[in-house]
Amino acid sequence: QQPVQSPQAVILREGEDAVINCSSSKALYSVHWYRQKHGEAPVFLMILLKGGEQKGHEKISASFNEKKQQSSLYLTASQLSYSGTYFCGTVSSGTYKYIFGTGTRLKVLA
Amino acid sequence: DAEITQSPRHKITETGRQVTLACHQTWNHNNMFWYRQDLGHGLRLIHYSYGVQDTNKGEVSDGYSVSRSNTEDLPLTLESAASSQTSVYFCASSEYPDLNTEAFFGQGTRLTVV
Repeated sequence: QQPVQSPQAVILREGEDAVINCSSSKALYSVHWYRQKHGEAPVFLMILLKGGEQKGHEKISASFNEKKQQSSLYLTASQLSYSGTYFCGTVSSGTYKYIFGTGTRLKVLA
Repeated sequence: DAEITQSPRHKITETGRQVTLACHQTWNHNNMFWYRQDLGHGLRLIHYSYGVQDTNKGEVSDGYSVSRSNTEDLPLTLESAASSQTSVYFCASSEYPDLNTEAFFGQGTRLTVV
């Protein structure tokens, strides 16, 4: 079952902040975040591992609540380049496959 | 530079025809995945492979098949194309067995079944 992301879509002005949530019904081993520009391939942003380790983007932060099986992506002081669709990719404990969420469309206006 | 390429980028086919979408990666990754992307559903896993001769069904595998005869390629076959299979298809690869590394995606194939 796919992780559920919220909100489905959000519109921001440059400089504003946004939070994107990802919730899974399964126990998670790690959470990955990707951003996809229109007509392009998804591009890796960051990985969050059990135990709190993070790997990835310098200007975007995220959290991973293992007990609640949730992750949140924090976009601060948004830039025009942040526009796109954001996907969380989850790896469940005991499996070796990426299951992606439903996506969140984000648009940043000047 | 290592890369992952999909072909064709666009394809129109008729209902009932067999179609094969190609995916080729030069990362030397053992893990390879196929997803379809539809509005409102995000990326849904079709099939995946952990290495040569290994294939596994994903969440939406009905009507699709894959084969893995070498490390570089994982072609996706639609046995008898249906209009419900109109979608954008993405191939991805990652290192094995560590899934705590990023997945690299191809540029996608837009398939239209008429």
